[in-house]
Amino acid sequence: ILNVEQSPQSLHVQEGDSTNFTCSFPSSNFYALHWYRWETAKSPEALFVMTLNGDEKKKGRISATLNTKEGYSYLYIKGSQPEDSATYLCALNAGNNRKLIWGLGTSLAVNP
Amino acid sequence: DVKVTQSSRYLVKRTGEKVFLECVQDMDHENMFWYRQDPGLGLRLIYFSYDVKMKEKGDIPEGYSVSREKKERFSLILESASTNQTSMYLCASRAGTVTYEQYFGPGTRLTVT
Repeated sequence: ILNVEQSPQSLHVQEGDSTNFTCSFPSSNFYALHWYRWETAKSPEALFVMTLNGDEKKKGRISATLNTKEGYSYLYIKGSQPEDSATYLCALNAGNNRKLIWGLGTSLAVNP
Repeated sequence: DVKVTQSSRYLVKRTGEKVFLECVQDMDHENMFWYRQDPGLGLRLIYFSYDVKMKEKGDIPEGYSVSREKKERFSLILESASTNQTSMYLCASRAGTVTYEQYFGPGTRLTVT
């Protein structure tokens, strides 16, 4: 059974801090890695879809890197703002079907 | 903008009732998904559909069925609702392959009493 693990489970930071969290997955099974942000009372929204080892993607203050050989992806937030408070989910596609395997998420709280 | 809508935000049903949750997307996406989200368990896939009238079981299909008669609409059916089906239900759609992002609806919070 493939497992996607995210750490830490939760994180509290002060406004202006930079932070990062990890998504780990089996390196032998990789096709695509997704990152989503899920704010309270809203729908999950896609941040990035990554497919190539060494990929680095950026959207504003948020960026992500991918290492498929060792089976991890990092999500970075530079200069956290209260509006960044959300649960950040990663999901793996292992290539053998159309489904995503979801991690449990990292819950980020940014204190003003 | 892709829009995925779900028929209800909140729903309260009694044990044994047949429950229909509707999802509609407006971007001609081939793929549609039904998830449930429970605290500590993350998003779990119930069923998905990759074309009209095509469906495939996800990880937790027991107690559920689905219908996709038109491309834009994907329905989740609880044949006989039970209290352990109290949950948040999320619909999503996606164009093309898994390298495309999923677009989610606002969710339906279902309570079965």
